[in-house]
Amino acid sequence: ETGVTQTPRHLVMGMTNKKSLKCEQHLGHNAMYWYKQSAKKPLELMFVYNFKEQTENNSVPSRFSPECPNSSHLFLHLHTLQPEDSALYLCASSHDPGGGGTDTQYFGPGTRLTVL
Amino acid sequence: AQSVSQHNHHVILSEAASLELGCNYSYGGTVNLFWYVQYPGQHLQLLLKYFSGDPLVKGIKGFEAEFIKSKFSFNLRKPSVQWSDTAEYFCAVNERGSQGNLIFGKGTKLSVKP
Repeated sequence: ETGVTQTPRHLVMGMTNKKSLKCEQHLGHNAMYWYKQSAKKPLELMFVYNFKEQTENNSVPSRFSPECPNSSHLFLHLHTLQPEDSALYLCASSHDPGGGGTDTQYFGPGTRLTVL
Repeated sequence: AQSVSQHNHHVILSEAASLELGCNYSYGGTVNLFWYVQYPGQHLQLLLKYFSGDPLVKGIKGFEAEFIKSKFSFNLRKPSVQWSDTAEYFCAVNERGSQGNLIFGKGTKLSVKP
């Protein structure tokens, strides 16, 4: 039990659909992250939120739109995705990234996304 | 740009064998270094991390890693593996002072035969 939950765990969508991924952390952390894990590639950081403010957008296409309404919740809104966007999307949280990057990140189980 | 290389994609060992997983990073500045592990069916979790002090770091479950600055390496070791160590191991690095922007390696899958 990591304290970071993600829903749904699996999602299949067409290229014209709009869907959202949800992440919730129960650890009292102040920073939240979205990562993408594709087959045979390293985890790629997508977005970072610190105290609800986006502090990093790692050149992610605009068809991915994050939202962080509070420090406990993080969403990833998806629209007009491509088949190559099929991947495992992981959410993580950490206490305070202002600590020089030494904080441990706690990961959720991921959402397995398939785009048809 | 920073990058992390993990040399072995899949390592197969028998129980009680010694383990060393390689990790090299490319970045000229000061870094924080991490090893994460993902056991089958479980979440990614921290195994150990280094950011200052003794370059030999001890983590959970008998794992340790040594930071060798001159070699840009942070290899993971365990003297005697168990079947329960079967998992995928990820090395990660970020720049000291960054806001937690981890760069991960591709991971090494470890299979331990009983």
